[in-house]
Amino acid sequence: QVQLVESGGGVVQPGRSLRLSCVVSGFIFSSHGMHWVRQAPGKGLEWVAVIWRDGSNEAYADSVKGRFTISRDNSKNTVYLQMNSLRAEDTAVYFCAGDKSGTRPYGMDVWGQGTTVTVSS
Amino acid sequence: DIQMTQSPSSLSASVGDRVTITCRASQSITTYLNWYQLKPGKAPKLLIYAASSLQSGVPSRFSGSGSGTDFTLTITSLQPEDFATYYCQQSYSIVVFGPGTKVEIK
Repeated sequence: QVQLVESGGGVVQPGRSLRLSCVVSGFIFSSHGMHWVRQAPGKGLEWVAVIWRDGSNEAYADSVKGRFTISRDNSKNTVYLQMNSLRAEDTAVYFCAGDKSGTRPYGMDVWGQGTTVTVSS
Repeated sequence: DIQMTQSPSSLSASVGDRVTITCRASQSITTYLNWYQLKPGKAPKLLIYAASSLQSGVPSRFSGSGSGTDFTLTITSLQPEDFATYYCQQSYSIVVFGPGTKVEIK
């Protein structure tokens, strides 16, 4: 059974940092690209970042470029999202998701339950 | 950047109705178009990938069509568990989600 479990969310002040983790089990982690997607309160889904299966390439939404970094450790079946210079508008539920492809974004077919990040003073 | 639009933004329907949601891309994305279902407090669920391929485990009442810039998600015979918000998503150029279509009970 495929499981993606996010952790690391919480309440943080504007300008501070937070690192999210997503541990994956039940599928061949190193074969799949991994994404972070968020949903702000009352809003729709917003894609945040993707990392290729071997970590050779990453891409980011313009709203987080230069502030967030996605990384992965295939030996630990874990994908991370380092979030720096957090803003109130980063407040959201953050989901990690696995892509059907390993070499380019295609479709996110496995998802975690999400972790909540609240940026507030 | 590729922009995605969906119509309608919301709709009311009854159990058993046929529902059609449209998604449009600002430029051709060939068939790099996926559809997701999102319910409150739940993780998104992939329904359709590559515009028309049914994801494993998804009921056959869901179908997708289209290519280029115009796409459609159809739910034949709407079921109670189908009341949710539906998002299209392009993966032709990185990733962008559409704004969503909320399907409510009439």
